[in-house]
Amino acid sequence: GAVVSQHPSRVICKSGTSVKIECRSLDFQATTMFWYRQFPKQSLMLMATSNEGSKATYEQGVEKDKFLINHASLTLSTLTVTSAHPEDSSFYICSATRQGARGNTEAFFGQGTRLTVV
Amino acid sequence: DAKTTQPNSMESNEEEPVHLPCNHSTISGTDYIHWYRQLPSQGPEYVIHGLTSNVNNRMASLAIAEDRKSSTLILHRATLRDAAVYYCILRDGVVKAGNQFYFGTGTSLTVIP
Repeated sequence: GAVVSQHPSRVICKSGTSVKIECRSLDFQATTMFWYRQFPKQSLMLMATSNEGSKATYEQGVEKDKFLINHASLTLSTLTVTSAHPEDSSFYICSATRQGARGNTEAFFGQGTRLTVV
Repeated sequence: DAKTTQPNSMESNEEEPVHLPCNHSTISGTDYIHWYRQLPSQGPEYVIHGLTSNVNNRMASLAIAEDRKSSTLILHRATLRDAAVYYCILRDGVVKAGNQFYFGTGTSLTVIP
């Protein structure tokens, strides 16, 4: 089946620095990828939709200048958390979708990136 | 996308069947019912999906009510590795830009040895 790979799986950074997280679709082309954030004991919250070759679409309340998204190719999207602060510590998950044979949309998720800002 | 309602948590004994319910009374005619599960510290993984008919795969079965306002994910023999949060998600099958999946609170399944 399709695989979406995220890197790194875990990162610790100092407050004020920036961190880049990569999301790759390994065996299919994804014109659209999605970034989620998940705090402990909570559900996944969609942050933004990453569109290949164009600007990302951000959900309400998500700061686009803080969470920079780049989708330069059909298999790679990156999320950069700029000037990270401890409140940005979270589990970040990417996803890519494709149309299935039965007419539905299939979503594939990365393994997640645990970001800790100290 | 239409909203789903699931119990916050459920328990099951190992090797017994588990029935995880999901209510989606505002489902539209083109909404597919998707189930994903999330093991601790991992991204969600696909379990099963359906539109109107019941579905079976190697992981689980999906029973869809005749009026489609509810569905039940069935794990035939729970194992300790099935302990996870199970999400029931509706997604419009009409192709359109975005294709986002919005997650609800899900059901946290505990499997008791």
